[in-house]
Amino acid sequence: AQTVTQSQPEMSVQEAETVTLSCTYDTSESDYYLFWYKQPPSRQMILVIRQEAYKQQNATENRFSVNFQKAAKSFSLKISDSQLGDAAMYFCAYRSAGRGTYKYIFGTGTRLKVLA
Amino acid sequence: KAGVTQTPRYLIKTRGQQVTLSCSPISGHRSVSWYQQTPGQGLQFLFEYFSETQRNKGNFPGRFSGRQFSNSRSEMNVSTLELGDSALYLCASSLLGLAGYNEQFFGPGTRLTVL
Repeated sequence: AQTVTQSQPEMSVQEAETVTLSCTYDTSESDYYLFWYKQPPSRQMILVIRQEAYKQQNATENRFSVNFQKAAKSFSLKISDSQLGDAAMYFCAYRSAGRGTYKYIFGTGTRLKVLA
Repeated sequence: KAGVTQTPRYLIKTRGQQVTLSCSPISGHRSVSWYQQTPGQGLQFLFEYFSETQRNKGNFPGRFSGRQFSNSRSEMNVSTLELGDSALYLCASSLLGLAGYNEQFFGPGTRLTVL
């Protein structure tokens, strides 16, 4: 069975600094998608970044980038130039790529605090 | 474009009762997915509906059911409520459904408390 593990329940970063959130997963499938979602306090969850497993190039969205290591089954999120608005709960998620029955699994989340 | 809306935002029920939650997707989106978020279990996928058909289902008991209407609005029903059903229930819509590579847009959630 697929699993997603976020081993850091809470992280802190100084404003303008860089922070990396860890995520590891386990699967026997070769094709899948990985996501990072952000859930700010009392606000809606939004997609931060996504990665297709067949792509070797790491995804990047402005200040957010991932380090995708397929062999190691690792998918970390790097936030550069951290801003106060980055404070949120971050969830790593795995979705199998099948068009029929698929699995959609989330990690337990990492709470990121940004210090002014 | 209006975002995903969920009603009600807060709900208090007692054990044994049933509850129905509603989700209106972004206009034009045909897929609605439901998730349960609890402090203990985290975020768990309940099911996805696409064009009025349940496309996929997570590992939840049959007390959890849903449906989707022709206008893509979706309802989720939980029967015989248990204390452990207390959670934030999120719905998300996407244009073409989760089977493809499509972004989901989440609603604000319905906070259900079971006493």
